[in-house]
Amino acid sequence: QQQVKQSPQSLIVQKGGISIINCAYENTAFDYFPWYQQFPGKGPALLIAIRPDVSEKKEGRFTISFNKSAKQFSLHIMDSQPGDSATYFCAASKDYKLSFGAGTTVTVRA
Amino acid sequence: GAGVSQSPSNKVTEKGKDVELRCDPISGHTALYWYRQSLGQGLEFLIYFQGNSAPDKSGLPSDRFSAERTGGSVSTLTIQRTQQEDSAVYLCASSLRASNYGYTFGSGTRLTVV
Repeated sequence: QQQVKQSPQSLIVQKGGISIINCAYENTAFDYFPWYQQFPGKGPALLIAIRPDVSEKKEGRFTISFNKSAKQFSLHIMDSQPGDSATYFCAASKDYKLSFGAGTTVTVRA
Repeated sequence: GAGVSQSPSNKVTEKGKDVELRCDPISGHTALYWYRQSLGQGLEFLIYFQGNSAPDKSGLPSDRFSAERTGGSVSTLTIQRTQQEDSAVYLCASSLRASNYGYTFGSGTRLTVV
């Protein structure tokens, strides 16, 4: 049973556009919510993360929005670039173990 | 080394054979994790090592799967009597200490069982 549900499965965005990926979780014990970026043939790399006492975190063009009451969080990629084309995974965690969403493949068209 | 190293990068094996997958974590990282990534799925936790001990093996899918870690460094994941459903990418990660942040993943071993 997947503890983190992620949508959409894939999306296509024009260069300069905004990509939005949504995730929902059930376990209220989760206390850390990272996003990972994965390129083909590589392992996932930490992109940005948030803790539940914060509603938004921004790092460059990447923003996490967090809604604790709804148990939802999302990743916004602003001014999307072709180099952002990758698979993005949300995750939720308590202690050392990460529970991942199924991933979203983002394609940025030039 | 600078990152987490996994070998082999690709492995094709016949159904019923045993396979060993190797992980070299970042030097000094005491915590090591194995995850499995099946096609179209997210990553699935398999096992966690702290030093040479595995306090959490809860994600190992069956008793055909085992793992060990020696010298607080290299880890080997062994799958006995491989089945087609074992086909996946097996990812190893390490962190300075047990934590849900600060994971560094390797590039994985793509296992194909034919």
